[in-house]
Amino acid sequence: DTGVSQDPRHKITKRGQNVTFRCDPISEHNRLYWYRQTLGQGPEFLTYFQNEAQLEKSRLLSDRFSAERPKGSFSTLEIQRTEQGDSAMYLCASSLVAGNQPQHFGDGTRLSIL
Amino acid sequence: AQKITQTQPGMFVQEKEAVTLDCTYDTSDQSYGLFWYKQPSSGEMIFLIYQGSYDEQNATEGRYSLNFQKARKSANLVISASQLGDSAMYFCAMRDPNTGNQFYFGTGTSLTVIP
Repeated sequence: DTGVSQDPRHKITKRGQNVTFRCDPISEHNRLYWYRQTLGQGPEFLTYFQNEAQLEKSRLLSDRFSAERPKGSFSTLEIQRTEQGDSAMYLCASSLVAGNQPQHFGDGTRLSIL
Repeated sequence: AQKITQTQPGMFVQEKEAVTLDCTYDTSDQSYGLFWYKQPSSGEMIFLIYQGSYDEQNATEGRYSLNFQKARKSANLVISASQLGDSAMYFCAMRDPNTGNQFYFGTGTSLTVIP
């Protein structure tokens, strides 16, 4: 069990650029979640996958955000035309399907928009 | 409406004392799960303890226990024998089947353990 891995750890980019983050979940975990966390707040749900299917997407997620999990393993989160308000920590978590199973989090990708 | 409410932005506890971190939740479902996570200053989210809505016993994991009062919709975390390493942010979370098993997190409580 190598844990949830996220890449990159930090991303600094100019407003208007596109960015893509990667998440590698724990290998036997079917579910994969993306969250955004800003300073002083708890993680805010963005979207989640069960295997390769994207089952839920937050209403807060604008059209500039897209996530994929093409083979039910790793996932990518892309933000197009980044804005200042996108600056945050982006967390990925994975879990088994059973309801009593906790989510295991990666260390996150910190995005800073200049 | 907030799904998870943590009303204590900051708490202080003397080393070796016990502390209770409050959490209330809102759901209309009968089946749900409640989780507590710890987030040290280094940023990683660490799972601490789980309580299922149908569990009759309060969950315990080492120095962590959960005071689950279903009728009041509260799931308070109790940390016994506090240690300096317990200083961190603590988040209460709920898995809500009503909304496709999304996890909702509270705003967190910052715990500082005083030597």
